[in-house]
Amino acid sequence: KAGVTQTPRYLIKTRGQQVTLSCSPISGHRSVSWYQQTPGQGLQFLFEYFSETQRNKGNFPGRFSGRQFSNSRSEMNVSTLELGDSALYLCASSLDLAGGPDTQYFGPGTRLTVL
Amino acid sequence: AQSVTQLDSQVPVFEEAPVELRCNYSSSVSVYLFWYVQYPNQGLQLLLKYLSGSTLVKGINGFEAEFNKSQTSFHLRKPSVHISDTAEYFCAAWNFGNEKLTFGTGTRLTIIP
Repeated sequence: KAGVTQTPRYLIKTRGQQVTLSCSPISGHRSVSWYQQTPGQGLQFLFEYFSETQRNKGNFPGRFSGRQFSNSRSEMNVSTLELGDSALYLCASSLDLAGGPDTQYFGPGTRLTVL
Repeated sequence: AQSVTQLDSQVPVFEEAPVELRCNYSSSVSVYLFWYVQYPNQGLQLLLKYLSGSTLVKGINGFEAEFNKSQTSFHLRKPSVHISDTAEYFCAAWNFGNEKLTFGTGTRLTIIP
């Protein structure tokens, strides 16, 4: 089975711009979660989607949004980029997280640099 | 709120020596605990997990961890490390309340030849 794929792997943007990151989960996985990883804050949960619905959300401003398509692929969008948004954005997929954690499989991440 | 503490941000170990990476969690209820490894420029890979049952959990690459409820710990161990074990290791706990995975801040394991 192919693993979780994320595109692009690297991205450079300037402040004020917006960006869209893409995640393709493992075939058959319906839950997709997004995490932000920075040296200062570590790994922080952004949101989780299941069956095209946002089922859970972390403590991030509304500039961070996401969606999931019928084929379980997911995108996250960050609008009005700030320098502090520079991070590695990780996507993880699992069969279903409801009722307890199914193993999450992580993609390689998208490294976003905001100048 | 549940928290996960990894006290050691960096651990240098000589090759073929044993290693223990410490993890403590805070929770008054049942927990699911995980150890993930992140190699340079890669995503996270699951090493092992504790859901219930035997408190000694064996994972991939020769790693194991012991769940200790009284000490609220889930330390990761390997009897003999290799250069290829150089990576960052994250402990994580599943929070049943908000259904989120909370990660520790990570421990960077450096193997000295």
